[in-house]
Amino acid sequence: QSALTQPPSASGSPGQSVTISCTGTSSDVGDYNYVSWYQQHPGKAPKLIIYEVTKRPSGVPDRFSGSKSGNTASLTVSGLQAEDEADYYCCSYAGGNSYVFGTGTKVTVL
Amino acid sequence: QVQLEESGPGLVKPSETLSLTCAVSGYSISDGYYWGWIRQPPGKGLEWIGTIYHGGNTYYNPSLKSRVSISVDTSRNQFSLRLNSVSAADTAFYYCSRIRWNYMDVWGKGTTVTVSS
Repeated sequence: QSALTQPPSASGSPGQSVTISCTGTSSDVGDYNYVSWYQQHPGKAPKLIIYEVTKRPSGVPDRFSGSKSGNTASLTVSGLQAEDEADYYCCSYAGGNSYVFGTGTKVTVL
Repeated sequence: QVQLEESGPGLVKPSETLSLTCAVSGYSISDGYYWGWIRQPPGKGLEWIGTIYHGGNTYYNPSLKSRVSISVDTSRNQFSLRLNSVSAADTAFYYCSRIRWNYMDVWGKGTTVTVSS
């Protein structure tokens, strides 16, 4: 189980959009529509923002959206706001009740 | 409202056993779902440690499988983590989480564990 690959950083100005990629393999991201995304502010626990590739939990703004193509999943944050500045992690089910997280991306709002 | 709270020693000596407990409130573990442990070394990313089903079936990260054990106590509505033969590499923030089929929907606030003599 190798960590899913994410870019270390991404940035955008308020109101702009930023997209974060999450690249895995045909044994995890490519094999299951079970990719989730988590937002983590400094010193806080991760918070679920996207599950099953595209679904948003109740209370998560529709500015957050997810997609997947092949072995790569993506998270897009539209209309960036100051409070979106955080670390973002993807996670994929990898079969046999196992999970693999991404390397994490730090999003900066310029 | 489901809440999870981790507890356990914040300092463990090298080669000893790390033990943490996750107390669940607002939901009965016996009612279903999976329950898991995730850790985060200082300044690094998240790592899935393992998962337990309320019936007791366990699933572990292959990289930790030889050292880890997760158990559940439905009478106390809590589940526990044991990690043997710890080293400095096990120093991390440890989170417990409810795993709703394929995603972690509720997280505890986490607890820090330092491995040092």
